[in-house]
Amino acid sequence: QVQLKETGPDLVQLTQTLSITCTVSGFSLTTYNVHWVRQPPGKGLEWMGAMWNGGGTDYNSAFKSRLSISRDTSKSQVFLKMNSLQTDDTAKYFCARLGAGYWGQGVMVTVSS
Amino acid sequence: DVVMTQTPVSLSLAIGQPASISCKSSQSLVHSDGKTYLSWILQRPGQSPKRLIYLVSKLDSGVPDRFSGSGSETEFTLKISRVEAEDLGVYYCWQATHFPLTFGSGTKLEIK
Repeated sequence: QVQLKETGPDLVQLTQTLSITCTVSGFSLTTYNVHWVRQPPGKGLEWMGAMWNGGGTDYNSAFKSRLSISRDTSKSQVFLKMNSLQTDDTAKYFCARLGAGYWGQGVMVTVSS
Repeated sequence: DVVMTQTPVSLSLAIGQPASISCKSSQSLVHSDGKTYLSWILQRPGQSPKRLIYLVSKLDSGVPDRFSGSGSETEFTLKISRVEAEDLGVYYCWQATHFPLTFGSGTKLEIK
């Protein structure tokens, strides 16, 4: 069955870089798109960007040039990297196959000074 | 960016009562392909979101038929014919017609 699982650090230092891996199963990254969405504690959902099945990407301009999404199709993994972290980047980060309604469990990341 | 405005912010209902949540978009959500990419998701406490409805009114597999979605252009509604205990959580509408994809701010459903 379709599964997505995020792995990453619990804690990242202020101004450092966040790296999260989304490992998928039950489908191919060359057939389906994977999105990244984040949710600050007690707040709503924010779309960050997408890795398209053809290998292209799209980003929310709110993240300017801080965000990078890539993939390794041989490992069924999609990667999120975001630099210059601030305290308001503290959030749960989800990968999701939004087009079909599948979400990972999310990984909670705290940015600490 | 398309702003998705949800009302009410919260609902407190007894089991068996009907529920209605409104979602209004700042632009038409009709895509150039003719489809309207408006979905509803439910996030239960401590869980990941679960999609309930896509393309305005199509129920996801396994979603009870007490849920229904309707609307067009810029105004959309999620209805629950009779609320059950498992329906508690935060409901979000979101659109995928325009980039960036955007979500409503959520409607919290509490069970009395």
